[in-house]
Amino acid sequence: QVQLQESGPALVRPSQTLFLTCTVSGYSISSGFYWGWVRQSPGQGLEWIATIYHKGSTYYNPSLKTRVTIFLDKTNNQISLTLESVTAADTAIYYCVRPRIASAGHYFDLWGQGTSVTVSS
Amino acid sequence: QSALTQPRSVSGSPGQSVTISCTGTSSDVGANNYVSWYQHHPGKAPQLILYYVTERPSGVPDRFSGSKSGNTASLTISGLQADDEADYFCYSYAGTYTVFGGGTKLTVL
Repeated sequence: QVQLQESGPALVRPSQTLFLTCTVSGYSISSGFYWGWVRQSPGQGLEWIATIYHKGSTYYNPSLKTRVTIFLDKTNNQISLTLESVTAADTAIYYCVRPRIASAGHYFDLWGQGTSVTVSS
Repeated sequence: QSALTQPRSVSGSPGQSVTISCTGTSSDVGANNYVSWYQHHPGKAPQLILYYVTERPSGVPDRFSGSKSGNTASLTISGLQADDEADYFCYSYAGTYTVFGGGTKLTVL
């Protein structure tokens, strides 16, 4: 079955860029679907971050749009996310997800286990 | 947009039923049927258990059911089992924005 596995640094310094990767197994991301990221932070709760369509169209949460980039690595079957100029407010568990039907997701039918990121000096 | 409002915790004994509410506004929960529910056992991947208010994905038992009235959606779990003990959160797609619930911890007594 299709599985999502996030990876990335556990600790990031303030003002640095966070780089996260989601490895998809059991399905080629080139073949279809939207793919995205959601995060859960102590302060903001759960929040949709970004989505990318398998053909490359990208969609961003307006509140994060200026700092976020999502892209596909089709060679390695991965979805990657960069978040620039991080602050403590970006401390969260970051989940890789598969949004269904719409770019921001009518719903999310697949989730990874999440990767915990702390922003601290 | 504010998070959807869920009770922080609910509890029930094995075999009983519990209902978890998810209250939004006329712009999100009340505006359409794009409400979904997720079960999350800590440390594991969240799992979709309901979408479009009442639809169950393949493999989700019919003990899980959903409904909506006005700006409030509800998840009902009947015949509680020990494995149902988990966090549950709702989600609403409002078109111009999306919003999650704050999450509810279900304890099976």
